[in-house]
Amino acid sequence: SQQGEEDPQALSIQEGENATMNCSYKTSINNLQWYRQNSGRGLVHLILIRSNEREKHSGRLRVTLDTSKKSSSLLITASRAADTASYFCAPYNDMRFGAGTRLTVKP
Amino acid sequence: DAGVIQSPRHEVTEMGQEVTLRCKPISGHNSLFWYRQTMMRGLELLIYFNNNVPIDDSGMPEDRFSAKMPNASFSTLKIQPSEPRDSAVYFCASSFGGGDEQYFGPGTRLTVT
Repeated sequence: SQQGEEDPQALSIQEGENATMNCSYKTSINNLQWYRQNSGRGLVHLILIRSNEREKHSGRLRVTLDTSKKSSSLLITASRAADTASYFCAPYNDMRFGAGTRLTVKP
Repeated sequence: DAGVIQSPRHEVTEMGQEVTLRCKPISGHNSLFWYRQTMMRGLELLIYFNNNVPIDDSGMPEDRFSAKMPNASFSTLKIQPSEPRDSAVYFCASSFGGGDEQYFGPGTRLTVT
């Protein structure tokens, strides 16, 4: 199966700092998606980046994609306590998820 | 739209009993996914339907698990007989296509005693 692998497994930062999470995958993709999961809830889609895109922004989120390295990164700028959640990447076309990155933002 | 609807939200049952989890996807979505999440194993894809047809059921743990999608607006995941190790949160998700944005339901928390 072709699932994304997130790194680091856990990240703890202070409110206002930036958070960067990475994702690696193994095969060619058409797109890659990032999701957030708050404790006990279903995943929520954050952003989709296509294979012909290198960078995409959405509010405080910035996603990059390097298809030559088969990797992606998610940057959350000016983090808030409400950003505390687990973050998952999902490379198309196999919608399996890795273990995710557990982000804790301390107020 | 109400989003993906799952029922029940919580289920407590005894080992050996049959459990049926239900999912109503978002209207117009062609793909439906069932996932299971535990602390030990993370989020696992159990089965994926496209246009009501099972496309990938390689994640279904064993014969005790079965899933059906009789029409575009309803799917069930059945466990018979249930075992304590089946305790988990089961999520249903739907999307327009297999690689498109997925919309997750609130999940069913299953406890098998």
